[in-house]
Amino acid sequence: GAGVSQSPSNKVTEKGKDVELRCDPISGHTALYWYRQSLGQGLEFLIYFQGNSAPDKSGLPSDRFSAERTGGSVSTLTIQRTQQEDSAVYLCASSFSTHNEQFFGPGTRLTVL
Amino acid sequence: TQLLEQSPQFLSIQEGENLTVYCNSSSVFSSLQWYRQEPGEGPVLLVTVVTGGEVKKLKRLTFQFGDARKDSSLHITAAQPGDTGLYLCAGPTRSNDYKLSFGAGTTVTVRA
Repeated sequence: GAGVSQSPSNKVTEKGKDVELRCDPISGHTALYWYRQSLGQGLEFLIYFQGNSAPDKSGLPSDRFSAERTGGSVSTLTIQRTQQEDSAVYLCASSFSTHNEQFFGPGTRLTVL
Repeated sequence: TQLLEQSPQFLSIQEGENLTVYCNSSSVFSSLQWYRQEPGEGPVLLVTVVTGGEVKKLKRLTFQFGDARKDSSLHITAAQPGDTGLYLCAGPTRSNDYKLSFGAGTTVTVRA
C-alpha cells in the first residue's frame, strides 16, 4: 500500500514569505507527527495529532509555526514570515495508533534565502 | 543539548569490515529505537529494544540495550554498501511516550 507522502519535495522561498507543507498519512492511521531535521541535528518533534483530540503543539518553535489536520487525514504545516533559520527538512510521520511504529514520509526540504 | 548522544558522528569503512555505533544518555529510557535513513528518504525503523541488557539480532545487525537502560549500541558484521546511511537512535521522553527524542545520528559509509 501507499506510504506517507509529502509535498512539495523541495521548496525554496524568500525570507518573510509564508509556506505551506502538506502531509498525506497512511490511510487508517490515526496519529500524525511533524518533525524538523536540521543539518547535523537529530529530528526535532514539532506537533502531534491523535484522532479528534487536541493536538500537542509543545514542539512548535515559535508562533510563526502552525499546523492543522483536516478530517483526520491530510495535515498542513504552515510557516509564516519565514526566516533563514527555518531552513531544514520537515518530516511527517503517521502511526496506526499512538504507541505503534511511526512511518515517515520522504520530507520536504525547505530553503529560505 | 541532545538528550541522546551518538558516536561517532561519521564512520567510513571498507566492505566486509565490522562497525559499532553508540547511543548514550544520562537519562533512563523505557525503550530505545534504531532507525536508518537514506538520502532523500525518511527514517525507517530497524528495531525497538525495551529490556535492560536485551540483545536483538537482525541478520548482520546486532542491537544491545544497556543494563541501566541509558545506552545502546548497534553492531554491523561484514558491512555491505547497502548498509550505507544515517543511523539514528530515539527514545520516548519521560512525559509523553509518543514524543520521541532523537540523537543527531551516525553517518555510515561502506566503500565497495
